[in-house]
Amino acid sequence: GAVVSQHPSWVICKSGTSVKIECRSLDFQATTMFWYRQFPKQSLMLMATSNEGSKATYEQGVEKDKFLINHASLTLSTLTVTSAHPEDSSFYICSARDKVSAGGLAYEQYFGPGTRLTVT
Amino acid sequence: AQKITQTQPGMFVQEKEAVTLDCTYDTSDQSYGLFWYKQPSSGEMIFLIYQGSYDEQNATEGRYSLNFQKARKSANLVISASQLGDSAMYFCALTGRRALTFGSGTRLQVQP
Repeated sequence: GAVVSQHPSWVICKSGTSVKIECRSLDFQATTMFWYRQFPKQSLMLMATSNEGSKATYEQGVEKDKFLINHASLTLSTLTVTSAHPEDSSFYICSARDKVSAGGLAYEQYFGPGTRLTVT
Repeated sequence: AQKITQTQPGMFVQEKEAVTLDCTYDTSDQSYGLFWYKQPSSGEMIFLIYQGSYDEQNATEGRYSLNFQKARKSANLVISASQLGDSAMYFCALTGRRALTFGSGTRLQVQP
């Protein structure tokens, strides 16, 4: 099956610093990648949709200047949390879409293992 | 707008018994898909089963089956012969032409 990796798997950073999270599709090309955030004991919430070669589309309430997304190639999307604060501590998960059904549905998304960010 | 509702925050089941996890949805899309994912304590999202809105038969994948009732807008997950390793969070998700919308999840605990 399709594999998506994330790096790092966990990171601790000091308040005010920036941290970059990478999401890679290892054996397929992903024109679209999604970034989700999951707070403890909560569900996954979509932050943004990342399209290769174009600007990301952010969900309402997500600060695009704080969460910078770059999708420079068909296999790599990065999320940079700028000037991180303790409230940004969360589990960040990316997913990549490999194929779309004939009806145009997002048939299946492959999830990365997630990155646990702790801001002190 | 899309909405997914999971009304069971937690469920207990005895090992080897079957359990049903509830999921209802609302969407204005004519064509859509429903997913179930398992999330163990490690955090990874494990795909379990998929049901397309136009699929006439309920989806099955090994011990997992999806009880799809389109008129009621429900897509319940049935796990047969529960195993201790099934203990995890389970999320129902809905998709149209973009990203997934997740329900709040159900924590399943399998007891020996």
